[in-house]
Amino acid sequence: GAGVSQSPSNKVTEKGKDVELRCDPISGHTALYWYRQSLGQGLEFLIYFQGNSAPDKSGLPSDRFSAERTGGSVSTLTIQRTQQEDSAVYLCASSPGRGRLVGQFFGPGTRLTVL
Amino acid sequence: TQLLEQSPQFLSIQEGENLTVYCNSSSVFSSLQWYRQEPGEGPVLLVTVVTGGEVKKLKRLTFQFGDARKDSSLHITAAQPGDTGLYLCAGDDYKLSFGAGTTVTVRA
Repeated sequence: GAGVSQSPSNKVTEKGKDVELRCDPISGHTALYWYRQSLGQGLEFLIYFQGNSAPDKSGLPSDRFSAERTGGSVSTLTIQRTQQEDSAVYLCASSPGRGRLVGQFFGPGTRLTVL
Repeated sequence: TQLLEQSPQFLSIQEGENLTVYCNSSSVFSSLQWYRQEPGEGPVLLVTVVTGGEVKKLKRLTFQFGDARKDSSLHITAAQPGDTGLYLCAGDDYKLSFGAGTTVTVRA
């Protein structure tokens, strides 16, 4: 498809386990973002990639969270030693790049449940 | 602390009625965007406003941006059940800062 895809769509894990969430952005989009959406906090920014570099990681809530992007395309968000408060929908978005007022294109999200 | 405040939080109206959603920011962003999100999906961009005083129309949706570029509104005329969803405003400084959203329900 032509849109942003994310996998898995749902992930249930036990507290303390590590999880990896994947994002495939729209082809040619240089900017990639991760957000988290939870009932109490709304939609929060996590990290921004321009190409393979992450100039803004300010939204990552702790050092248990990390992300990488390879080949200027696919990105993986990793959460180590998951906690119950990590339960949320993790959304990925891509855009053609900074300075272009075309908005961001979001994937359907990964719903993470930590038991 | 939420940079963007949206009101109301919930809105339930009958088909054919009009509705307005408000967004107020404590900061000035390079642009302000409105998104709509349906259950199980990511937000979808409706409009981007940049210039103070700007008014944009998208079929039955009218978006206004305040002169000071800190407040915005979304007005829907003759709402339809297909307008049901979560409406989000977002300030854009390459990354998006979202309001808490307004859940709109249009009853048939």
